[in-house]
Amino acid sequence: QQQVKQSPQSLIVQKGGIPIINCAYENTAFDYFPWYQQFPGKGPALLIAIRPDVSEKKEGRFTISFNKSAKQFSLHIMDSQPGDSATYFCAASANFGNEKLTFGTGTRLTIIP
Amino acid sequence: DAEITQSPRHKITETGRQVTLACHQTWNHNNMFWYRQDLGHGLRLIHYSYGVQDTNKGEVSDGYSVSRSNTEDLPLTLESAASSQTSVYFCASSNPGSNEQYFGPGTRLTVT
Repeated sequence: QQQVKQSPQSLIVQKGGIPIINCAYENTAFDYFPWYQQFPGKGPALLIAIRPDVSEKKEGRFTISFNKSAKQFSLHIMDSQPGDSATYFCAASANFGNEKLTFGTGTRLTIIP
Repeated sequence: DAEITQSPRHKITETGRQVTLACHQTWNHNNMFWYRQDLGHGLRLIHYSYGVQDTNKGEVSDGYSVSRSNTEDLPLTLESAASSQTSVYFCASSNPGSNEQYFGPGTRLTVT
């Protein structure tokens, strides 16, 4: 069963645009929500993460928005660049990340010049 | 520098053969994880370990086994490889309380 649902599966955005990737979860025990970025031929790497005590977190051009009541969270990339082209995975975990991660199905993002 | 390595990076094997994928980390992390990545399914957890002699089944553990005899290594064994196990396999590690998982470069396994 898919406990973390991610959409869209793929996304093409022009340079400078703001791609938005959405995730929804079911398990109310989840309390840690990271996003991982994966380039072709590489393993995923942590990009940014949020806990449910805040509704938004920014790190550089990347922002997570979190809606606890709707059990949804999303990744926004400001001023997107071709170098941001990658696959993005949302994930969720309980016990502030000390439990195993459950990943979404991934979004392949392409930023065109 | 500390790192996590996987070997081999590419493997072709025949149906029914036993295959072992290696994962080695030099961070001295207690937690280690094995995932498979398939298009449309994302990353699915196969097995994980929270320390030496500890192993746990993930959501897709059938046909796979692991053992943890030391902190640095968590080998993944496919007892009798099946075509459905053709995939890219990733190993990851983390320390309790740090949240972040560090992933290896992956092993592409093809079962013919």
